[in-house]
Amino acid sequence: DTAVSQTPKYLVTQMGNDKSIKCEQNLGHDTMYWYKQDSKKFLKIMFSYNNKELIINETVPNRFSPKSPDKAHLNLHINSLELGDSAVYFCASSQASDNQPQHFGDGTRLSIL
Amino acid sequence: SQQGEEDPQALSIQEGENATMNCSYKTSINNLQWYRQNSGRGLVHLILIRSNEREKHSGRLRVTLDTSKKSSSLLITASRAADTASYFCATDAYGNKLVFGAGTILRVKS
Repeated sequence: DTAVSQTPKYLVTQMGNDKSIKCEQNLGHDTMYWYKQDSKKFLKIMFSYNNKELIINETVPNRFSPKSPDKAHLNLHINSLELGDSAVYFCASSQASDNQPQHFGDGTRLSIL
Repeated sequence: SQQGEEDPQALSIQEGENATMNCSYKTSINNLQWYRQNSGRGLVHLILIRSNEREKHSGRLRVTLDTSKKSSSLLITASRAADTASYFCATDAYGNKLVFGAGTILRVKS
């Protein structure tokens, strides 16, 4: 009964390739997020969607494109992968109202060769 | 820029001892949250404290918030080996946009 699930858990690929990470939540939340955690464990928000609408878009290269087919899913597509994209990517979800905790998936470890 | 900064970066204690972690931030906030991350796993929400609250408890966890000093602390009492993890504070200035600190690595030795 995983609340926020991401696939795949590990992704190893060559520079220049295009890859996607999928995220699904079964908590009935309205808002979903993508975070990037670097090798120093620093976690930074990338995107946030509320009911399929983009509401937060940090200064992320446009090679990263989120897509939300419905409010339970938020996928992340990355084009032309670069070495610096190697990181752990976390999906999270929360209710849309203020002062809500976020629920995280277990992450996707992306390694670029 | 990084909002929350945790102190210390790493902490090693014996089982049964208390662990205190501190977090400082720079701007006004709606709330401050603490999360735990076990190795290889996602973040787990521990406590949310609103800007008009000064102290909050949850089991063995106690969080304080001092908005005048822009700081918060997380106290874990009677620590257990299972508390070994990284702990992050995150500030929410608006719209559920969390800004995380660099985290404190806690090791509890049995």
